[in-house]
Amino acid sequence: AQKVTQAQTEISVVEKEDVTLDCVYETRDTTYYLFWYKQPPSGELVFLIRRNSFDEQNEISGRYSWNFQKSTSSFNFTITASQVVDSAVYFCALSGGPFRDMRFGAGTRLTVKP
Amino acid sequence: DVKVTQSSRYLVKRTGEKVFLECVQDMDHENMFWYRQDPGLGLRLIYFSYDVKMKEKGDIPEGYSVSREKKERFSLILESASTNQTSMYLCASSPGTVSQFFGPGTRLTVL
Repeated sequence: AQKVTQAQTEISVVEKEDVTLDCVYETRDTTYYLFWYKQPPSGELVFLIRRNSFDEQNEISGRYSWNFQKSTSSFNFTITASQVVDSAVYFCALSGGPFRDMRFGAGTRLTVKP
Repeated sequence: DVKVTQSSRYLVKRTGEKVFLECVQDMDHENMFWYRQDPGLGLRLIYFSYDVKMKEKGDIPEGYSVSREKKERFSLILESASTNQTSMYLCASSPGTVSQFFGPGTRLTVL
């Protein structure tokens, strides 16, 4: 069975702090995809990144970076120099391929205070 | 940009009513999805459609049905709404094995 665990329910930081959101997954598939989505207060989920299981290279996009480690089944997300606009709920998700198998974590609510 | 629209942002219905939630996408995507989002549970898949008139059950299909008569439109139907169906409902579309694109959500309250 596929499962995604986001152990951090809520995180609060002060602007300009770095913050890491944890994501641990379980799957028996050898090919799978991992995702991060952002849900701002407006409610619409925004796609941030997709990673397939064969690509363990870390990725950096501006202030965002992702650390994928198959050895620990983790796909963590770091925001550097956080800003108030980063305040949102962040979801990690896992797919075995066909999207009906997509599993979402419970989400982490990040609050960035000025 | 991909646009996924949902017919209502907020909806209030009474127990036993038949409820229709509409979702439209403008990018000719084959796949469309309905999720419900509840605090502490993340998103859970209700139904999925990979083509017109085709549908598959997700994790929690009980109490729901869907309709996809046209490629761009995917409707979620609550045949007889109950209070435990009070939730945020999110529609998404996808062209295949890439990211899903989500609509703004419909917050449904069943009294």
